[in-house]
Amino acid sequence: GAVVSQHPSRVICKSGTSVKIECRSLDFQATTMFWYRQFPKQSLMLMATSNEGSKATYEQGVEKDKFLINHASLTLSTLTVTSAHPEDSSFYICSAHPTGTLMNTEAFFGQGTRLTVV
Amino acid sequence: GEDVEQSLFLSVREGDSSVINCTYTDSSSTYLYWYKQEPGAGLQLLTYIFSNMDMKQDQRLTVLLNKKDKHLSLRIADTQTGDSAIYFCASRGGANNLFFGTGTRLTVIP
Repeated sequence: GAVVSQHPSRVICKSGTSVKIECRSLDFQATTMFWYRQFPKQSLMLMATSNEGSKATYEQGVEKDKFLINHASLTLSTLTVTSAHPEDSSFYICSAHPTGTLMNTEAFFGQGTRLTVV
Repeated sequence: GEDVEQSLFLSVREGDSSVINCTYTDSSSTYLYWYKQEPGAGLQLLTYIFSNMDMKQDQRLTVLLNKKDKHLSLRIADTQTGDSAIYFCASRGGANNLFFGTGTRLTVIP
């Protein structure tokens, strides 16, 4: 199956710093990628839809100035958590859909990034 | 968005069948999915079902869909210790995004 690589898998950062997470589709192109966030014992929550060449679409309640998304190419989307605070500590996971495929095509997920802000 | 709900925990003995249940609210959902998440790992697609089907079987996995009641279940036959994980059901939204349940932590007792 198609592979989505997410990097880093774990990161610890100091409060007030910024962290960049990369989501890369390795063997297919993805016009659309999605970023999810998962708190312990809770479901994955969609944060934003990342569109190649245009601005991301954020879900209600997600601060676009805090969670910067860049989808500069058909194989790479990045999520930057700016001025991180301990409450941003979470598991972030991306998914990608191959471009030009039908609606029933599956989303392929990265392995996730566990962010800890100290 | 839509609400997708699951019970949080399930324990079964090795060799027994596991049944994980899920309810959803959006009657226009076209595809419903089951994912498996092992500790620290991403999501692995187990199976999916199209909304006009009521059952799908794939080796040890059986998915049942009751569209009228908006109820989805995943049955794992002959559950093994390697099946211990968190299982998420998900419903496909209009923009290809997925709405996830809270996940059910399956513990298999040897």
